Amino acid sequence: NAGVTQTPKFRILKIGQSMTLQCAQDMNHNYMYWYRQDPGMGLKLIYYSVGAGITDKGEVPNGYNVSRSTTEDFPLRLELAAPSQTSVYFCASSYSTGLLNTEAFFGQGTRLTVV
Amino acid sequence: QQPVQSPQAVILREGEDAVINCSSSKALYSVHWYRQKHGEAPVFLMILLKGGEQKGHEKISASFNEKKQQSSLYLTASQLSYSGTYFCGTENFNKFYFGSGTKLNVKP
Repeated sequence: NAGVTQTPKFRILKIGQSMTLQCAQDMNHNYMYWYRQDPGMGLKLIYYSVGAGITDKGEVPNGYNVSRSTTEDFPLRLELAAPSQTSVYFCASSYSTGLLNTEAFFGQGTRLTVV
Repeated sequence: QQPVQSPQAVILREGEDAVINCSSSKALYSVHWYRQKHGEAPVFLMILLKGGEQKGHEKISASFNEKKQQSSLYLTASQLSYSGTYFCGTENFNKFYFGSGTKLNVKP
């Protein structure tokens, strides 16, 4: 199994450009999450989804958008990139919430630099 | 919303023990623990559920006190491979939050 796959692994954007970070999972997980991790810091929740067609904001949603048209895919869209969005982005998925004793699986991350 | 971890960083010699703490201002039903090596994605270590027992993974174990809304991760006889950043994770209405992390450095 591939697990959680993120593309691209690295990207440099210019200020004001837009891009989509791709995330796909093949474990039939309902829950998917996007986090950002700034250097030496913890993971901040950007957006999450509890199933196809359902998304909601996390702690730091400004400047981002998501969609969940299928169970497998959960792309993250950056509009008008800013230097403050320079970070490592992780996508994660889980079958359910922690209440049902399920772990979260992470993708390998996308390292984004905005210049 | 995020759980609070302490300490922020720990330096150990091989064979020494360490404790990492995680606390929340919200009621906890479960606590996850993850380890992240430099440049890699976080990897699941264990989950503790409300009313559950202390769990173990090799020489790494954890406890969960739901009344105090706290969890502790115990690393016994640390090995070089234990080096990394440890995160606790908690859930609040489908939102999964991580603590700020504890950086563990095990030296020979």
